[in-house]
Amino acid sequence: DVKVTQSSRYLVKRTGEKVFLECVQDMDHENMFWYRQDPGLGLRLIYFSYDVKMKEKGDIPEGYSVSREKKERFSLILESASTNQTSMYLCASSSPSTSPSFTGELFFGEGSRLTVL
Amino acid sequence: AQKITQTQPGMFVQEKEAVTLDCTYDTSDPSYGLFWYKQPSSGEMIFLIYQGSYDQQNATEGRYSLNFQKARKSANLVISASQLGDSAMYFCAMRERGNAGKSTFGDGTTLTVKP
Repeated sequence: DVKVTQSSRYLVKRTGEKVFLECVQDMDHENMFWYRQDPGLGLRLIYFSYDVKMKEKGDIPEGYSVSREKKERFSLILESASTNQTSMYLCASSSPSTSPSFTGELFFGEGSRLTVL
Repeated sequence: AQKITQTQPGMFVQEKEAVTLDCTYDTSDPSYGLFWYKQPSSGEMIFLIYQGSYDQQNATEGRYSLNFQKARKSANLVISASQLGDSAMYFCAMRERGNAGKSTFGDGTTLTVKP
């Protein structure tokens, strides 16, 4: 069974703390994504990566960084957490847009609900 | 301009009836894919159905069908014979081939199925 696993379902952190959200996929996908989900705003792309050590900013990268040292792992880092980063964070992976099928659906993890106090 | 628009924040449907969830999109890329995802209250996002921009036929997957009207740039999801387990949030999304594989999502529609 294919899987995207996020390390923590629920986290509570203090303002100013450094926060790591880990994501691992077992589908050998090139593309990995971090989204943030807030009520009424849908899913907004924070960062994505299309290869090891490659990353690109999404729509709302401010306050976040990412790391992709291995193909299967994509980490989201909040260098200094703030209360406005309280949200649900969703990791996803997919095959590249250049693949023949290009169905390209996203496979999601279960989400990490972060509360920053 | 928003690329994906879902105009219905919330919808109600009676069990066993059909329901249509609206989605319109905006793109100048001739090659794109349209997706619908379901998010139950537990939080995981589940892929439901896919329509490619060059597909001639509307996509169907079991009780789900996608009413694709290319000229109108709409990709409505039709759920037939609604079940209580269909109560969830539904997201329409688009992936443009020229956009490096990124998907853009609408704001979502919360569907409630009434017994």
